Amino acid sequence: KQEVTQIPAALSVPEGENLVLNCSFTDSAIYNLQWFRQDPGKGLTSLLLIQSSQREQTSGRLNASLDKSSGRSTLYIAASQPGDSATYLCAVRGGNNRLAFGKGNQVVVIP
Amino acid sequence: DTGVSQNPRHKITKRGQNVTFRCDPISEHNRLYWYRQTLGQGPEFLTYFQNEAQLEKSRLLSDRFSAERPKGSFSTLEIQRTEQGDSAMYLCASSLVQGSYEQYFGPGTRLTVT
Repeated sequence: KQEVTQIPAALSVPEGENLVLNCSFTDSAIYNLQWFRQDPGKGLTSLLLIQSSQREQTSGRLNASLDKSSGRSTLYIAASQPGDSATYLCAVRGGNNRLAFGKGNQVVVIP
Repeated sequence: DTGVSQNPRHKITKRGQNVTFRCDPISEHNRLYWYRQTLGQGPEFLTYFQNEAQLEKSRLLSDRFSAERPKGSFSTLEIQRTEQGDSAMYLCASSLVQGSYEQYFGPGTRLTVT
C-alpha cells in the first residue's frame, strides 16, 4: 500500500521568505505526482503535476521537483505572500488509478 | 469551462437517515472519482468510474454506500443509514483517460451526521 508523508505538518513564515514543502512516498512505481492547494472548508485546486519521467515543473512562483527513485518531491514557493496561506497536499498516482494523499502541509504566511 | 460541481455543498442529517450527493464532472471527462476527507487528513479514495462503469471500489466503501453514474455523465453517491462516523467532506474529481490523467476536484459536499 502506498504511504505518503508530508513534512512539516505545519509551518509559519514571514512574508517574503521562500517556502519549502516536502513529500515522501513509499512505492516508487508511480505514474505522476500532483501538488494541490486547499483553503479551509474548500475543495482542492491543482497546482502542479509532474509525470514520473520528469524531474521538475514550474508555474509562476511555484516549482516542484521529483526524485522518483528515492520517493521524494519538494514544492518550492518563492517570495511567499499572505495569500499563500493554505494547506498544501501532495498526491501520487499509481497503477490502480487512485490518488494516494499525504495529510498536508498547513502553511501560514505572516504579513 | 465550468469545472467540477457538487451539490449540495453542505448537508446536515440525523443518524439513520439516507443522504444522496451529486457530482457533475467537466463535460468531456470520462473518468469520475469519489474521495472522502476527514478533518486533518488527506482525501481517501472511495471509488471511480470510467464512463458508466464502476471500475474500482475501496474497502472504505461499506455496504451502506452506493455510487452510480448511469449515463456516463453526472454521478450520485448515496449513504444509507448514516452514522456519525460518516461525517466528512465528500470530494468528487474528474479526468480524461489520456495524457496526464490530471484529476480536477470539485468544491466538495460537507456532511454532518448528528
